[in-house]
Amino acid sequence: KNEVEQSPQNLTAQEGEFITINCSYSVGISALHWLQQHPGGGIVSLFMLSSGKKKHGRLIATINIQEKHSSLHITASHPRDSAVYICALSQGGSEKLVFGKGTKLTVNP
Amino acid sequence: KAGVTQTPRYLIKTRGQQVTLSCSPISGHRSVSWYQQTPGQGLQFLFEYFSETQRNKGNFPGRFSGRQFSNSRSEMNVSTLELGDSALYLCASSPRDRGHTGELFFGEGSRLTVL
Repeated sequence: KNEVEQSPQNLTAQEGEFITINCSYSVGISALHWLQQHPGGGIVSLFMLSSGKKKHGRLIATINIQEKHSSLHITASHPRDSAVYICALSQGGSEKLVFGKGTKLTVNP
Repeated sequence: KAGVTQTPRYLIKTRGQQVTLSCSPISGHRSVSWYQQTPGQGLQFLFEYFSETQRNKGNFPGRFSGRQFSNSRSEMNVSTLELGDSALYLCASSPRDRGHTGELFFGEGSRLTVL
């Protein structure tokens, strides 16, 4: 069993829809990262969470440490949100990340 | 403020050769980490450096090595290249303090093709 599982693997939405991507993990963590990767390879860090909830624009990330689960929400989705979203775990305060396999999001106009 | 710079962006090598990739972190960041991304294995951790010291190493063979210089720039080297080393190699820097994970800032990556 992988230490980190993301769902769904693929997600297609219409512009304006509310989107949720889930990440479940089985190990203790010091932080959880949500990353965005556009075609071409560049990765952008969206959030780093160790507890609670964070919001940035239309993006919201939550984490439940007891349940070992995190969600990334996108409100009012837009075609430019089309990308691969990756959940990554940090243990022991290091950058030795364990990555999920990613969720490929396609938002159609 | 300049971002994380990786060079070269693209390179093609043949089996048995060696390659050196460079990463210049954001000014003031002392933590640099390296990751490999392949279609089959996804993203995997390679190395983590903080103030010239290797803090962690991923599960890769000894052909993969790295170092960090006093100006925080980092290099990684892969010797005796194999076809399976074809990948996107990503570097990230962080403003972390010792013992605390910081937000990661990624470079655009170096795409290595081994023929």
